[in-house]
Amino acid sequence: AQSVTQLGSHVSVSEGALVLLRCNYSSSVPPYLFWYVQYPNQGLQLLLKYTTGATLVKGINGFEAEFKKSETSFHLTKPSAHMSDAAEYFCAVSKNAGNMLTFGGGTRLMVKP
Amino acid sequence: DTAVSQTPKYLVTQMGNDKSIKCEQNLGHDTMYWYKQDSKKFLKIMFSYNNKELIINETVPNRFSPKSPDKAHLNLHINSLELGDSAVYFCASSQVGTGAYGYTFGSGTRLTVV
Repeated sequence: AQSVTQLGSHVSVSEGALVLLRCNYSSSVPPYLFWYVQYPNQGLQLLLKYTTGATLVKGINGFEAEFKKSETSFHLTKPSAHMSDAAEYFCAVSKNAGNMLTFGGGTRLMVKP
Repeated sequence: DTAVSQTPKYLVTQMGNDKSIKCEQNLGHDTMYWYKQDSKKFLKIMFSYNNKELIINETVPNRFSPKSPDKAHLNLHINSLELGDSAVYFCASSQVGTGAYGYTFGSGTRLTVV
């Protein structure tokens, strides 16, 4: 069985500060890992994904995440927060055969001016 | 040219009513899903269909019945609505065997039961 834990249901940063959203997973097989963003009253949009190969993955809007197998982590970062980054962020894991996504509980990112 | 479209976007109804939510995808994907997002934003899978066949049916009350007339459509019918059914319901699609690509989500249907 797979599971995803996002540490911190709320994260607040100042505009221009580093964004770090934490995600740890458990999986019995090498996982596929995803970060999705949900803006208010909207659906989920894919930010980035890790499948195989390079462990540092770059996504849209300046976000990136690093797959660390030894730590079973896939933390999301952005060097400089922008007001428009305020949203709910979801980490998710899937295994190839089943294709079903299991989501973490989400982290609400707040950006202060 | 919306990839995954859901209707309606908002649905307010009384307890005990029966309602349906429709979902259509034009991506040519084989698999479609229904997820429920509760008031705390937690996302939980309800159903998954692959080429019109049910492949995932999580612990969901049998008042919820998905129907897939073809692989591009997955509708959700809910009987005897209860207050606890209030949530945002998301439809999504993906291509089987390519979990690497993740899902494409619809914009959600906010169901409010009063």
